[in-house]
Amino acid sequence: DARVTQTPRHKVTEMGQEVTMRCQPILGHNTVFWYRQTMMQGLELLAYFRNRAPLDDSGMPKDRFSAEMPDATLATLKIQPSEPRDSAVYFCASGGDRPTDTQYFGPGTRLTVL
Amino acid sequence: AQSVAQPEDQVNVAEGNPLTVKCTYSVSGNPYLFWYVQYPNRGLQFLLKYITGDNLVKGSYGFEAEFNKSQTSFHLKKPSALVSDSALYFCAVRDAGNNRKLIWGLGTSLAVNP
Repeated sequence: DARVTQTPRHKVTEMGQEVTMRCQPILGHNTVFWYRQTMMQGLELLAYFRNRAPLDDSGMPKDRFSAEMPDATLATLKIQPSEPRDSAVYFCASGGDRPTDTQYFGPGTRLTVL
Repeated sequence: AQSVAQPEDQVNVAEGNPLTVKCTYSVSGNPYLFWYVQYPNRGLQFLLKYITGDNLVKGSYGFEAEFNKSQTSFHLKKPSALVSDSALYFCAVRDAGNNRKLIWGLGTSLAVNP
C-alpha cells in the first residue's frame, strides 16, 4: 500500500545547526507539500511543488529555510541555521494534479531545537 | 478570502452516542471539501471528501459528512462513537484560486468517553 515516507522521524539538534528533512512522495504523485504543525499556529503550509518545480514558498522563512526536489522521488526541507522556535512537527504530503485529488500525508518529522 | 472555521476546539461525547464535528467554509467558487483525522504522534489520515453530487458523503471508519451549500457547512458525523475515535479532526477546503492548495481549519479535538 503506497505511503509517503519521511526521515528522520525524530531529530534533536542544537541551535545553529543545519537540519535536513527528507520525504519520498507516493510514486506517480506530482505535487508535494511541506507543512509545519505547532500547538500555537496549527497546520501551516510552508511550500509546495508541482512536477518538481516550486510553486509557492510564501509560508517559509526565506532566510533560513529552503525546499528542493532533486528528483521525483525525493523532496528535502532544510533549515540553516536552526533556532528553538523551529521546533515543530514537519509533514510532507503528496497528491495528484487535479483540484479534486486528495493529499496524502507522511508520518512527520518531530524536530526539537535546543 | 477563502477560509475554513471549526467552531469547536473540543467535542466530548459518550461512547455509543452519535457525534458531530462542525465545519463551515468560505470560498469564491465551488468548494472541494475534505476531512482528515490525526491520531496522537501520527500524520494526518484522509477520511472523506466532497467533490460533487450526493450531499452525504461516506468515508473511512464509519464516518460520513453532510455538505450543505446554503449553510456553507460540511459537518462530520458518526452514528455511534467509539473510544478509538478520540483524535484531532481537521476540515479543509480547496482554494478556488489555487486548486492545489488546501485551506485548513484549526482542528477539533474529539474525546469519546467510555
